[in-house]
Amino acid sequence: DSGVTQTPKHLITATGQRVTLRCSPRSGDLSVYWYQQSLDQGLQFLIQYYNGEERAKGNILERFSAQQFPDLHSELNLSSLELGDSALYFCASSVSFVTGELFFGEGSRLTVL
Amino acid sequence: DQQVKQNSPSLSVQEGRISILNCDYTNSMFDYFLWYKKYPAEGPTFLISISSIKDKNEDGRFTVFLNKSAKHLSLHIVPSQPGDSAVYFCAASSGAGSYQLTFGKGTKLSVIP
Repeated sequence: DSGVTQTPKHLITATGQRVTLRCSPRSGDLSVYWYQQSLDQGLQFLIQYYNGEERAKGNILERFSAQQFPDLHSELNLSSLELGDSALYFCASSVSFVTGELFFGEGSRLTVL
Repeated sequence: DQQVKQNSPSLSVQEGRISILNCDYTNSMFDYFLWYKKYPAEGPTFLISISSIKDKNEDGRFTVFLNKSAKHLSLHIVPSQPGDSAVYFCAASSGAGSYQLTFGKGTKLSVIP
């Protein structure tokens, strides 16, 4: 158990819909990262938050947005969903941004039909 | 443009023998490298890392070697055990600041009893 909690574990929805994925980092961790893993792909970095502020952006689509709340939990919002958005979405956390050791949650599997 | 490449999607090794997983990178700015292990239905877990100032790092049965001139790193597992069967991801980062890791696509290791 990494201490990072993601909900929901599985989500099935239709094209055009909007979903929200939730992540609670390990106790004490200030950084939250979101990664997307599509079929047969490595983990693609989407976005990082540190103590409530956006720190870095990766290959995140404009239809996607995220935020980190004062209690440090984070939400990833995916809108106008397309079939290609079907993937595993991982949240990870770390104490700061000066170590590469990230602690990953179990992921949220999104299926868009 | 894939900056971190794991060219072997899968690898099978007999129990007790050495497993060697390879990783190549193209970005000269990468200076910190990590290996993550992932079991089905779980998030990736940190295994071992190496800084670019070193060429070897050991942790028990796991050793990571870095060849900066060749932009190549490898993970050695000796001796391999059935519990090592998992997908192994190589990841790289370019230093202080935000720690957005760039991942390879992974190598699925099967250790045969």
